[in-house]
Amino acid sequence: AQKVTQAQTEISVVEKEDVTLDCVYETRDTTYYLFWYKQPPSGELVFLIRRNSFDEQNEISGRYSWNFQKSTSSFNFTITASQVVDSAVYFCALSEAPETSGSRLTFGEGTQLTVNP
Amino acid sequence: EAGVTQFPSHSVIEKGQTVTLRCDPISGHDNLYWYRRVMGKEIKFLLHFVKESKQDESGMPNNRFLAERTGGTYSTLKVQPAELEDSGVYFCASSHDILLSGANVLTFGAGSRLTVL
Repeated sequence: AQKVTQAQTEISVVEKEDVTLDCVYETRDTTYYLFWYKQPPSGELVFLIRRNSFDEQNEISGRYSWNFQKSTSSFNFTITASQVVDSAVYFCALSEAPETSGSRLTFGEGTQLTVNP
Repeated sequence: EAGVTQFPSHSVIEKGQTVTLRCDPISGHDNLYWYRRVMGKEIKFLLHFVKESKQDESGMPNNRFLAERTGGTYSTLKVQPAELEDSGVYFCASSHDILLSGANVLTFGAGSRLTVL
């Protein structure tokens, strides 16, 4: 069975600090996909990134970066120089190969990030 | 392009009553998903439509929940009769039927918050 663990329930930082959100996953599949979604106060889940299990390259997008390590089954998310607008709930999610799961996502419990001015 | 629209945004009902949630996916998206987040826990999969057909309904909690997608356009999720434990946020998501690039990226709505008293 698949499982995603986000051990940090809440994180509070001061603006301009760097912050890392942890995500650990469990799966028996060799082909799988990892996602991060952001839920701002408006409520909708906003897609941030998708990574497949065969691509362990780290990715950077502006102030956001992701560190995928299969050896530790982790897919951590770092925000550099955090801003108040980054305040949201962040969800990590896992999907099996779409042929078997129809792209069904298994989510973690989410991390509430608060960035204070 | 309009996003995924959900209605109502918030519904408060008494135990034993019936509630119907509606989801309008992005036009042209064959895949439609329902998810639920209860009491700040992880977001859990309920079911998956491909056009008007139920592809996977393994996440539906019990037979008090009925999902339909007439004509393969919008979808409704009815809870009848509602119980206290049904309280939570119900998310709808949709995606293209494109598997060439791997697991589909789901576009989520803002959710319908259900409170059962």
